[in-house]
Amino acid sequence: DARVTQTPRHKVTEMGQEVTMRCQPILGHNTVFWYRQTMMQGLELLAYFRNRAPLDDSGMPKDRFSAEMPDATLATLKIQPSEPRDSAVYFCASGSGGNTEAFFGQGTRLTVV
Amino acid sequence: AQTVTQSQPEMSVQEAETVTLSCTYDTSENNYYLFWYKQPPSRQMILVIRQEAYKQQNATENRFSVNFQKAAKSFSLKISDSQLGDTAMYFCAFMKKTGGFKTIFGAGTRLFVKA
Repeated sequence: DARVTQTPRHKVTEMGQEVTMRCQPILGHNTVFWYRQTMMQGLELLAYFRNRAPLDDSGMPKDRFSAEMPDATLATLKIQPSEPRDSAVYFCASGSGGNTEAFFGQGTRLTVV
Repeated sequence: AQTVTQSQPEMSVQEAETVTLSCTYDTSENNYYLFWYKQPPSRQMILVIRQEAYKQQNATENRFSVNFQKAAKSFSLKISDSQLGDTAMYFCAFMKKTGGFKTIFGAGTRLFVKA
């Protein structure tokens, strides 16, 4: 059963700490998206990759956020240093481009205290 | 830039009745996809239905159907015979077919199905 896997599911951390969220896209998918969901802003696209290359990260605060794809089976989103306003659910999604939709992971609920 | 607007933050419907969720979008693209996703309390984003812009026929998936008006840039979702399990957030989304398949979401509509 192909699915996008995100770890951890939940993360509570103190302000100033580094947070790393991981995503394993569906095998064969060449497009990976990172979204952030909050009550106020809804679903915001932070960054996305195609064939491991970043295509657009304009939605991401560059001073503290970074996104990478070390290989085709792993995408990471890092926040350093974390702040309380980063508290949100972070979703990873993957797709194969062409005529398919984005398939979502179950998200990482991040709480920064 | 593309935008997706869902003007109904919250709606409710009686079980077994029909409800329509609205979505409008703005784009200069001619080749794109539109989607409706459902997000139940479990938080999982689930694809409900998709529509290809070049197809005039409205997409249908069981109790879910869309009314796609390309000229008006409108893409509403109709849920027939509503069930308690349909209670969720519903997101309208736009994906252009060129330049990386970026998917943009609306703010969502929270739907409550009442027994």
